[in-house]
Amino acid sequence: NAGVMQNPRHLVRRRGQEARLRCSPMKGHSHVYWYRQLPEEGLKFMVYLQKENIIDESGMPKERFSAEFPKEGPSILRIQQVVRGDSAAYFCASAGALANEKLFFGSGTQLSVL
Amino acid sequence: KQEVTQIPAALSVPEGENLVLNCSFTDSAIYNLQWFRQDPGKGLTSLLLIQSSQREQTSGRLNASLDKSSGRSTLYIAASQPGDSATYLCAATKAAGNKLTFGGGTRVLVKP
Repeated sequence: NAGVMQNPRHLVRRRGQEARLRCSPMKGHSHVYWYRQLPEEGLKFMVYLQKENIIDESGMPKERFSAEFPKEGPSILRIQQVVRGDSAAYFCASAGALANEKLFFGSGTQLSVL
Repeated sequence: KQEVTQIPAALSVPEGENLVLNCSFTDSAIYNLQWFRQDPGKGLTSLLLIQSSQREQTSGRLNASLDKSSGRSTLYIAASQPGDSATYLCAATKAAGNKLTFGGGTRVLVKP
């Protein structure tokens, strides 16, 4: 998973604050996926983006959550007005050409909401 | 809706034994299936990817098989080592570029 950079590694927020999670994909990759891993649960898909486009956001809560992948810069997962239930590990993965579907994951951001 | 299941949830073996990890999926119309390893507090490392047209993939001590008709994949780890202790996840995708559906993982402990 070398190359997919996520920051911060740990993020602590109080209820009601905003959380911004960043993901820089591997060099040359234009497909980014966000997954969430709740305590003692498996990884759940949230959103799939290509440069400047959201392709599939079927796994993302309709309220308070948004994602973007601008032409320049990292992909951002934004959570507004965080609640305790948002506490989880958030993983980003990137892929290159669709013909080779191997995903490369970042080390994740552990979000803790107090 | 695709559902991926991994049983058992946890497995403990003595060093040197072969590991057999099971993954089942409900929708056989998959594009590919991947096996990942996750160490505590870390991200996922891709181990093997099997395309839907393939029956198995091998890398070193690891071998993964795929049987679409029965909705099963098996990961074999030969001659296990304490360093193999981790959580192993399988994930299926329905189409190129599509999202992965993960199983709950099997937590493996290899005792020296």
